[in-house]
Amino acid sequence: SYVLTQPPSVSVAPGKTASITCGGTNIASKTVHWYQQKPGQAPVLVIFFDSDRPSGIPERFSGSNSGNTATLTISRVEAGDAADYYCQVLDDNTDFPLFGGGTTLTVL
Amino acid sequence: EVQVVQSGAEVKKPGESLKISCKVSGYSFTSYWIGWVRQMPGKGLEWMGIIYPDDSDTKYSPPFQGQVTISADKSVNTAYLQWSSLKASDSAMYYCVRRAGYSSGWYGDHWGQGTLVNVSS
Repeated sequence: SYVLTQPPSVSVAPGKTASITCGGTNIASKTVHWYQQKPGQAPVLVIFFDSDRPSGIPERFSGSNSGNTATLTISRVEAGDAADYYCQVLDDNTDFPLFGGGTTLTVL
Repeated sequence: EVQVVQSGAEVKKPGESLKISCKVSGYSFTSYWIGWVRQMPGKGLEWMGIIYPDDSDTKYSPPFQGQVTISADKSVNTAYLQWSSLKASDSAMYYCVRRAGYSSGWYGDHWGQGTLVNVSS
């Protein structure tokens, strides 16, 4: 079955740019969605269809998808961006979405 | 404003049955698929299944087929997730999620606050 690979952790200083990757075979042929989950809270959709932002999500959050890697980019990182981030694609084998393992973003 | 409000935490014993709920408001309940996502302690997210409340068409992710039942009552804008015989391994947080997007690429755009289920003897 399809596998999504995310780095377990990413660290970034405040004000810098964080890039969280989501790897999968020819992932560019799929649409990728990203969720943010802060400790003790429900996930929140931050990017859908590779690069669209839901209303209320800051422009600092952006997404891209090319080749075998999709990327969530957070510009001008703030302390409040510290969270787990999950990518999601549709698994063609099951017709159900598949999540990546998640990446913990630490703001130094 | 779309709201997804789930029932409260549950503590159950192995072998017991359970039905948790998710009441929505702020949109037409019968116009969107709605589903459930499991998060085991300290782990990632897993879609369990989805239901279309208008006709109760239901789809289950393979690992959850036969393990749970998803239902909906459109008269009260509420979706349900139920177990007939709980196991300790069912202990997890369960999120109710409205599905958006298309069949070729869908996602959860509105999430409930989660229902914690603890199964222990």
